[in-house]
Amino acid sequence: DAGVTQSPTHLIKTRGQQVTLRCSPKSGHDTVSWYQQALGQGPQFIFQYYEEEERQRGNFPDRFSGHQFPNYSSELNVNALLLGDSALYLCASSKLHEQFFGPGTRLTVL
Amino acid sequence: AQSVSQHNHHVILSEAASLELGCNYSYGGTVNLFWYVQYPGQHLQLLLKYFSGDPLVKGIKGFEAEFIKSKFSFNLRKPSVQWSDTAEYFCAVIIDYTGTASKLTFGTGTRLQVTL
Repeated sequence: DAGVTQSPTHLIKTRGQQVTLRCSPKSGHDTVSWYQQALGQGPQFIFQYYEEEERQRGNFPDRFSGHQFPNYSSELNVNALLLGDSALYLCASSKLHEQFFGPGTRLTVL
Repeated sequence: AQSVSQHNHHVILSEAASLELGCNYSYGGTVNLFWYVQYPGQHLQLLLKYFSGDPLVKGIKGFEAEFIKSKFSFNLRKPSVQWSDTAEYFCAVIIDYTGTASKLTFGTGTRLQVTL
């Protein structure tokens, strides 16, 4: 049983560009959450998707948006990239309260 | 807003030493508590969790944690650490008001370094 998978592994963008990150949840999970982990910090909650709708959102600007597909996979989109958006972006899937994390996508904004 | 505090930012122990990492949260209602571990180059993995019942919970790899409601604490312990326990440890909390999956609020993490 494959766990949570994310793509790409690494990504380098320049300021002002847009990026899309992808996540496939663990089999049987219907909820996907996204987190941003800056260097030396704990993960910060961005938003959570369930039944293709955004159910909860953290303190992130509207530049951060997402989508969940009928197969429960999800995308995170970030527009107008800033240097401060450089971080590890984690996807977590869950059925109830226990969240399983993927390996993350390392985004570098130059 | 709920918050999680991990006061030990960097801990260095010798192998076989005992470990206790502190975690405090700020919320007066029902909480679900977690400890996650991030080994070098690997993804976050769940060590243990507390939802209800016995406040002393046991997790993988010999770790345990005790929920003390009066102190708003959920400290992680291990009687004898191994070199392979070198990792970053994160405490996290969910406020259980929806009854379904909800957001995790993480502490800033504790980097544990175990020396031979």
